[in-house]
Amino acid sequence: KQEVTQIPAALSVPEGENLVLNCSFTDSAIYNLQWFRQDPGKGLTSLLLIQSSQREQTSGRLNASLDKSSGRSTLYIAASQPGDSATYLCAVRRRDSSYKLIFGSGTRLLVRP
Amino acid sequence: NAGVTQTPKFQVLKTGQSMTLQCAQDMNHEYMSWYRQDPGMGLRLIHYSVGAGITDQGEVPNGYNVSRSTTEDFPLRLLSAAPSQTSVYFCASSQTAFNSYEQYFGPGTRLTVT
Repeated sequence: KQEVTQIPAALSVPEGENLVLNCSFTDSAIYNLQWFRQDPGKGLTSLLLIQSSQREQTSGRLNASLDKSSGRSTLYIAASQPGDSATYLCAVRRRDSSYKLIFGSGTRLLVRP
Repeated sequence: NAGVTQTPKFQVLKTGQSMTLQCAQDMNHEYMSWYRQDPGMGLRLIHYSVGAGITDQGEVPNGYNVSRSTTEDFPLRLLSAAPSQTSVYFCASSQTAFNSYEQYFGPGTRLTVT
């Protein structure tokens, strides 16, 4: 059974710091991995999608990497800003006929001014 | 494009009442799904559909029904509401063209069952 874990559960950093959020998964047979952002009381916004054949994706100050063999992904945020404060969720899509998306429980990030 | 839309945004039900949460997408996505989000439990899949006329169960399907008569719409029906169904419900759709499967979410419906 695929399980997705995100560590740490919460993180508080001063503005300007570079930071790394971690995501691990137990079954390497994935179709893709997606990082989302969720602001309080809001829906999920897609940040980055990494297909299983890719090693990383970049969007602005965000860089996500994928290492299928070790079951890990990282989300790197450069030069963090207070506006980056949110919960970050990773999810892996199963490589079977269901294509189900399995979520981690998220990392709650606070960037202090 | 409006993306994924959900109605209503908020709903209060009494135990035993039934209702339908609406979900629509205008991106011609084949894959649609419903999740519930509870504190400490993360997002859990209720039902999903790989195309019109095809639905299947997720992790927590009990107490919920779905149908997919069109590509655009994927309503979620609560048959007899229970307090345990108090949650935030998210509808999502995925593009399957070019094997992308990038998932997009609606804004959510906050449901309280008393």
